[in-house]
Amino acid sequence: QKEVEQNSGPLSVPEGAIASLNCTYSDRGSQSFFWYRQYSGKSPELIMSIYSNGDKEDGRFTAQLNKASQYVSLLIRDSQPSDSATYLCAVESSGNTGKLIFGQGTTLQVKP
Amino acid sequence: DTAVSQTPKYLVTQMGNDKSIKCEQNLGHDTMYWYKQDSKKFLKIMFSYNNKELIINETVPNRFSPKSPDKAHLNLHINSLELGDSAVYFCASSQRAGDEKLFFGSGTQLSVL
Repeated sequence: QKEVEQNSGPLSVPEGAIASLNCTYSDRGSQSFFWYRQYSGKSPELIMSIYSNGDKEDGRFTAQLNKASQYVSLLIRDSQPSDSATYLCAVESSGNTGKLIFGQGTTLQVKP
Repeated sequence: DTAVSQTPKYLVTQMGNDKSIKCEQNLGHDTMYWYKQDSKKFLKIMFSYNNKELIINETVPNRFSPKSPDKAHLNLHINSLELGDSAVYFCASSQRAGDEKLFFGSGTQLSVL
């Protein structure tokens, strides 16, 4: 069964620090990877997508992908209390099905 | 204007009842989805429709029946509700099938007593 695994946390970091969120996946054929943020009681929203090995930066967010190691990560620089949320890693199932497999999410707490 | 709206937001019902959740999107997207998020936060796809046609049908009990009267609407009907059906159900849409940027509705918290 194709899986996406994340440490559920909580991951606690002080305000201003770098938060590092990690994700591994089992489907070697996957080509598309995403990070969704979900505030408590709210719906998920897409914050980053990455398709090629390496880093992709968008403001304070950097997504990193290593397909050989089947590993995706999200770095949040200068963490703010407003970043406190659950971060869901999502991987597109191979075969261009459009089907996303989500991890269970990592809860991030940024303490002022 | 709400992009993806679903109703009701909360649904509390007894075991054995039949209930429906409605979803509408005004984004002009071709593809709509139903996802289930359990108490451990796992978000799992249930169904996907593209232009009213079913394209993804995961291993879901046949008590769950989606219906898409047009590409802007995707409803979910659940027969003979069970305790294990308690979860948050999210409707979502994307511009086209294979576009992984999903726009989610606000969710329906279903509690089966």
